[in-house]
Amino acid sequence: DAGVIQSPRHEVTEMGQEVTLRCKPISGHDYLFWYRQTMMRGLELLIYFNNNVPIDDSGMPEDRFSAKMPNASFSTLKIQPSEPRDSAVYFCASLLQNTGELFFGEGSRLTVL
Amino acid sequence: RKEVEQDPGPFNVPEGATVAFNCTYSNSASQSFFWYRQDCRKEPKLLMSVYSSGNEDGRFTAQLNRASQYISLLIRDSKLSDSATYLCVVNRFNDMRFGAGTRLTVKP
Repeated sequence: DAGVIQSPRHEVTEMGQEVTLRCKPISGHDYLFWYRQTMMRGLELLIYFNNNVPIDDSGMPEDRFSAKMPNASFSTLKIQPSEPRDSAVYFCASLLQNTGELFFGEGSRLTVL
Repeated sequence: RKEVEQDPGPFNVPEGATVAFNCTYSNSASQSFFWYRQDCRKEPKLLMSVYSSGNEDGRFTAQLNRASQYISLLIRDSKLSDSATYLCVVNRFNDMRFGAGTRLTVKP
């Protein structure tokens, strides 16, 4: 299995631009998570999906952030408009229910200038 | 108050030392617990699950205290390759929450 695939690996953009991060989970996993990691705040859960349905988005910082999962093999996290404080590594992870083992992608490192 | 709290460290220990990390969680309904390891500029990976009776995997021992709502990780005979950040994870109905991580550096 290819594992969780994220793109882009790195993105540098200017404040105000739209950013779209993409994730392909492991086939057969029924949960998908988006996390954000910074030195100051650690690994924060932004949102997670079960069978493509958003379950908890209380971690999404504000309305500038949105996430979708149109099918079992694809999810996006969008930031519009982006701000410098959004600079972080964004991880996508997938989980097979009740196994407890999250499989992470390699992350998308976002820098907003 | 954060849902999962860890001492961020850093812990700097010599090779061969024994080191212990603790983690506390706030939600008593939490169901299962894990330790993950994250190397610098890499993604987190599962190190071990934490069982109620405590469990061991080689040099690593994990323990859970439900009454006090904390979990621990003990590393014996530490190796240079153990240098990493160790994250505790608390699961409630597949809602997986991470602590901020404890950074360990093992020195020769």
